[in-house]
Amino acid sequence: EVQLVESGGGLVQPGGSLRLSCVGSGFTFSNDWMHWVRQVPGKGLLWVARINGDETNIRYADSVKGRFIISRDNAKNTLFLQMNSLRAEDTGVYYCTRGGSPFYWGQGTLVTVSS
Amino acid sequence: DVVMTQTPLYLSVTPGQPASISCKSSQSLLNSDGNTYLFWYRQKPGQPPQLLIYELFNRFPGVPDRFSGSGSGTDFTLKISRVEPEDVGVYYCMQSIQPPLTFGGGTKVEI
Repeated sequence: EVQLVESGGGLVQPGGSLRLSCVGSGFTFSNDWMHWVRQVPGKGLLWVARINGDETNIRYADSVKGRFIISRDNAKNTLFLQMNSLRAEDTGVYYCTRGGSPFYWGQGTLVTVSS
Repeated sequence: DVVMTQTPLYLSVTPGQPASISCKSSQSLLNSDGNTYLFWYRQKPGQPPQLLIYELFNRFPGVPDRFSGSGSGTDFTLKISRVEPEDVGVYYCMQSIQPPLTFGGGTKVEI
């Protein structure tokens, strides 16, 4: 069974940093593209970033480019999202997804940027 | 960026009746590999989105056959042949032909 478990969310002040993690199981993690997708509670979905298996192909949404870094540790089946210079508009539930396009989704971790 | 426009915003349905949701993209989602990179998801309250249809018309394993996807180019439709009570939720279309991946605004389906 495919499982994706996110962690690392929380309350952070504007300008602060946070590192999200996502542990995958039930599939060959190193082979798969992975994405982060954000959802403001009660609102729609916004794609944030994606990374391929060997980290040679990485893309970001314009709104996070230069502030967020997506990476992975295939030995630990873990995907990361380092979020720096956080803004109020970065608030939301962050989902880790698996696939060239998002096929499987984790339960999400809530990030709140507020003073 | 590819803009995805969904209609309607809200859909009130009767169990046993059909329902359909429309999604339009600002550019063609037909790739040179012959696949159309249009996806449909359903999100139930308090849950993450779940994939229903991938690459235009392929049902994800475990998705009932009352769900079907169709369309071409820039116009797409998700159809539910006979709505069941568990079909309530918000439905999203998404394109992945090019980054940034973009989602439609969602259609809330209520019984």
